[in-house]
Amino acid sequence: GENVEQHPSTLSVQEGDSAVIKCTYSDSASNYFPWYKQELGKRPQLIIDIRSNVGEKKDQRIAVTLNKTAKHFSLHITETQPEDSAVYFCAASQATGYSTLTFGKGTMLLVSP
Amino acid sequence: EAQVTQNPRYLITVTGKKLTVTCSQNMNHEYMSWYRQDPGLGLRQIYYSMNVEVTDKGDVPEGYKVSRKEKRNFPLILESPSPNQTSLYFCASSGRHSNQPQHFGDGTRLSIL
Repeated sequence: GENVEQHPSTLSVQEGDSAVIKCTYSDSASNYFPWYKQELGKRPQLIIDIRSNVGEKKDQRIAVTLNKTAKHFSLHITETQPEDSAVYFCAASQATGYSTLTFGKGTMLLVSP
Repeated sequence: EAQVTQNPRYLITVTGKKLTVTCSQNMNHEYMSWYRQDPGLGLRQIYYSMNVEVTDKGDVPEGYKVSRKEKRNFPLILESPSPNQTSLYFCASSGRHSNQPQHFGDGTRLSIL
């Protein structure tokens, strides 16, 4: 099955700095890569996703890049704010045949004012 | 309001006493899934269902059962709970496959003594 590795497990930045979280996956058939944000005590919520037919996607201060050859994808957050503090999960999925969604173990991002 | 509803939100019970966690969605989604979240392990998929009467194992199905008799409901059943099933459980749904944005419920915190 799919295996998703996520790094770092914790990340501390100063407000206004950029943050980068990286994930690698093992199954070359995976074609959908979402990122979820989970605030303390709350449900995971989708913040951005990317499919295998594009290399980069942006939404305001967040962006995701995908390198299918190397089987890795990254989340970039610019101009970080304290409200960005949360746990971020990457995930990988394919829609052919079975349809599981495999998550990384998460990155706790702490943005200090 | 589009939502995924889980019940109960919290449950403390004892080893061996059968329990059911209910999950219901009002978005007419075909795909539903159960995850457990444990510190340092991220979100791990237990079971998923691609439609009524179609269910399949995720990464950690041992000790759990599910059913999908109706499109909107996807209960998680622990026939004989054990302490290692103490965890935070999330139900999620999406349009047709795992490669679409997942809508998560608020979570159910289970403690098995």
